[in-house]
Amino acid sequence: DAKTTQPPSMDCAEGRAANLPCNHSTISGNEYVYWYRQIHSQGPQYIIHGLKNNETNEMASLIITEDRKSSTLILPHATLRDTAVYYCIGRGLSGTYKYIFGTGTRLKVLA
Amino acid sequence: GAVVSQHPSWVICKSGTSVKIECRSLDFQATTMFWYRQFPKQSLMLMATSNEGSKATYEQGVEKDKFLINHASLTLSTLTVTSAHPEDSSFYICSARGLAGGGELFFGEGSRLTVL
Repeated sequence: DAKTTQPPSMDCAEGRAANLPCNHSTISGNEYVYWYRQIHSQGPQYIIHGLKNNETNEMASLIITEDRKSSTLILPHATLRDTAVYYCIGRGLSGTYKYIFGTGTRLKVLA
Repeated sequence: GAVVSQHPSWVICKSGTSVKIECRSLDFQATTMFWYRQFPKQSLMLMATSNEGSKATYEQGVEKDKFLINHASLTLSTLTVTSAHPEDSSFYICSARGLAGGGELFFGEGSRLTVL
């Protein structure tokens, strides 16, 4: 599974877009990029995942660079409830499916 | 999305006792479940992979005799912390992957264990 690197913390004003970067320069061709978030004292929540194309769902957008060495999770209109730790994980769709969590980015949305 | 439920959500026990935490997949069958531990202000640490009908696979440094895992059915895995000590106090989280799907895992709400 690819090693990922994320900034430890970020602030974002409420209503503005939150752009969370992730570096995964060692990702292999068949490894997907998954994003999860963890709100304080809760289990992680799935957000989105992608392989090489940009993805969008009701929660967020995922932009993956053409060389796949990095990606950005975009929360288009951040709210106070989006304050959480966001984890970027690289893994394949075969094998044991175990997810290894890095340190994540602690996003604080400010009123 | 799929629902994974843990019970109890919090438990306090005396040192030396054993505590069992249940993890259930409520609306799907899960051949594989994962158990994580999380200390305050730290990331999740994978403890073991629980496979239905077979022995769990433990990560390096995790004592299998202390953290007993049983995955007797496709919807239930249990983690038993045996002879608990204060240093075992932590947030324990399980996750499960369904038989179909895009590879995403679904996580339980977590169980907070406090050992006095």
